[in-house]
Amino acid sequence: DTGVSQNPRHKITKRGQNVTFRCDPISEHNRLYWYRQTLGQGPEFLTYFQNEAQLEKSRLLSDRFSAERPKGSFSTLEIQRTEQGDSAMYLCASSSAGGLGYEQYFGPGTRLTVT
Amino acid sequence: AQSVAQPEDQVNVAEGNPLTVKCTYSVSGNPYLFWYVQYPNRGLQFLLKYITGDNLVKGSYGFEAEFNKSQTSFHLKKPSALVSDSALYFCAVRDLHNNAGNMLTFGGGTRLMVKP
Repeated sequence: DTGVSQNPRHKITKRGQNVTFRCDPISEHNRLYWYRQTLGQGPEFLTYFQNEAQLEKSRLLSDRFSAERPKGSFSTLEIQRTEQGDSAMYLCASSSAGGLGYEQYFGPGTRLTVT
Repeated sequence: AQSVAQPEDQVNVAEGNPLTVKCTYSVSGNPYLFWYVQYPNRGLQFLLKYITGDNLVKGSYGFEAEFNKSQTSFHLKKPSALVSDSALYFCAVRDLHNNAGNMLTFGGGTRLMVKP
């Protein structure tokens, strides 16, 4: 049973550059979530997909952030014109269809450092 | 808006002693409640959840949690702590009455230190 995978695991970039992260959910899961976690804090919700449709976006997701899930399988999160405040761990999670009682399964995260 | 509070940044216990990690929540409707654990350089691992039914729920690695609606709490417990339980623990809530209820709202986390 393969879990949620994320690539890359670490990314160091210079301020102003664009970065893209990839998430591969558990294969039978149709729901996919992105969260951001800064040091010493709990994860904060960014966005949610059901299949290929992006159904929810947090106010944290500024215009510089965009997420896609083109075929309802893997997802990408792109940050344009990165800022130092974007440095964080970006977590992807997936869950199965059905009621909201299904737990989310998290990937190992992508740690972004903006210098 | 839904919120979660974990009042203790760190909990220290001796191996073999019982442990409790506290969590209180605020939602407008009925909650779904979850506990996750995070080890260094790892993603969050699901421990247990409360959806409905028995207020005492059992989860992975011998952990359990008690849902208390009147106190809006969902404390995590284990009868006998292990050194390997040392990690960061997060409580999370999903509000059933919130139309944007797919997101989880997490607490700030509690670091559990179990000493031999």
